[in-house]
Amino acid sequence: GEDVEQSLFLSVREGDSSVINCTYTDSSSTYLYWYKQEPGAGLQLLTYIFSNMDMKQDQRLTVLLNKKDKHLSLRIADTQTGDSAIYFCAERPPGTYKYIFGTGTRLKVLA
Amino acid sequence: DTGVSQDPRHKITKRGQNVTFRCDPISEHNRLYWYRQTLGQGPEFLTYFQNEAQLEKSRLLSDRFSAERPKGSFSTLEIQRTEQGDSAMYLCAGGDRSVTGANVLTFGAGSRLTVL
Repeated sequence: GEDVEQSLFLSVREGDSSVINCTYTDSSSTYLYWYKQEPGAGLQLLTYIFSNMDMKQDQRLTVLLNKKDKHLSLRIADTQTGDSAIYFCAERPPGTYKYIFGTGTRLKVLA
Repeated sequence: DTGVSQDPRHKITKRGQNVTFRCDPISEHNRLYWYRQTLGQGPEFLTYFQNEAQLEKSRLLSDRFSAERPKGSFSTLEIQRTEQGDSAMYLCAGGDRSVTGANVLTFGAGSRLTVL
C-alpha cells in the first residue's frame, strides 16, 4: 500500500528522550525525511537520512534507519517544551516526484 | 519565514464558489509542489511542477482542481464549485537540493480553506 505509518501520540517529560517511529513503504526510497509542524504553520525540514546509512546524528536529533524492515525512527534527546509539535516522516519512492508523508505523531512535552 | 509565501492565509467561502490560492516560492526553486492537509492527517500530494511544466498530478485530484505555473515562478491553485469536503489547509512547497544532494522541500505557511 501507499501508507506511511506513524503512531498518533507521544507524551514525554521535559528532559527525557523522545522516540518517534515510522514505517515507510518503499525500500528503494533514496532519502527518508523528518519534518516538524507547529500549530498554524507549514512543515519545517528537521533532518533526513540517505538510505545507505543506518544512523545519522544532528545535535539533539538521532535518526535510525532499518532498511530491511522499512523502519525509521527519530530520537530527540533532552526534549524541551519547544519540541511540542507534530512530526512527520516522509519518503520519495523512485519513479515518482511526489513525497509521501505519514499521518504524523503529535509530541506533547510535559514541564 | 521560510521564504515561500502563500496568499491568502485564510479563505472562507460558500459552497459552489470558486477560489484561487497563490504561491510564491524562493527564486531558486525550479520545483514546486501543492499538497492538501486535513485535520489530523499528513499532507496529501496534489500536483508537481518543474519550472512551468506540470509533470505529476494526483489521481485523487478531481477536474474541479487546476494548477498553473505560467512563467515557472509563482503558481496558482484554483478550486471550482467548492464543496464542503474541500475544506483543508493547502500547502505549497518549493523543491531544492541540499549540499549533500538530497532533494528537500521548503513549505509555505499554507492557505486554510473553509467551505460553508
